[in-house]
Amino acid sequence: QKEVEQNSGPLSVPEGAIASLNCTYSDRGSQSFFWYRQYSGKSPELIMFIYSNGDKEDGRFTAQLNKASQYVSLLIRDSQPSDSATYLCAVNAPGAGSYQLTFGKGTKLSVIP
Amino acid sequence: DTAVSQTPKYLVTQMGNDKSIKCEQNLGHDTMYWYKQDSKKFLKIMFSYNNKELIINETVPNRFSPKSPDKAHLNLHINSLELGDSAVYFCASSQEGLAFYNEQFFGPGTRLTVL
Repeated sequence: QKEVEQNSGPLSVPEGAIASLNCTYSDRGSQSFFWYRQYSGKSPELIMFIYSNGDKEDGRFTAQLNKASQYVSLLIRDSQPSDSATYLCAVNAPGAGSYQLTFGKGTKLSVIP
Repeated sequence: DTAVSQTPKYLVTQMGNDKSIKCEQNLGHDTMYWYKQDSKKFLKIMFSYNNKELIINETVPNRFSPKSPDKAHLNLHINSLELGDSAVYFCASSQEGLAFYNEQFFGPGTRLTVL
């Protein structure tokens, strides 16, 4: 059973601070890792993906991957109220006939002005 | 220019009814998916489907059946609706064959309420 674990939160950070979101996964065969953002009442949208150990930066977002520890994180620098959303960690592992995403339950982030 | 569209956006129905949700993508992708998101926001894969194969998640009751008339459409038919089927259903698509990276694009969701 492939599992992806996230702290459900809510995680509250003041505007301008760094928000740190964490995710662990159980399947060592997992190959790529995604962070989706979901605003309330909306559909998930991809903000970052990573497949190599280390850091990957895109603007205010940094994804960090440690395959040995089966851990992936997302850092949001200079957090803005518009970053308030649920962040879903997703893991992609080869499955029967297709590469499927297994999602965590999401971490709700609230950025306080 | 919507990439992944679903209809209807809202669906309210009685227990025991049969209903369908339609999904269309204009991205030229060859893989489509159905997800269920429950009240606790847990997004769970139900089916994935491409030209070659339908992958059925074995935890999905057989009252749920995906139907794909062509690779741009994947509809979800639900028989004998139950209260526990109330959720938001998302359709998604991706381009298979990109090895381990397959960004999935999600539709706007269909909120199903079973009374």
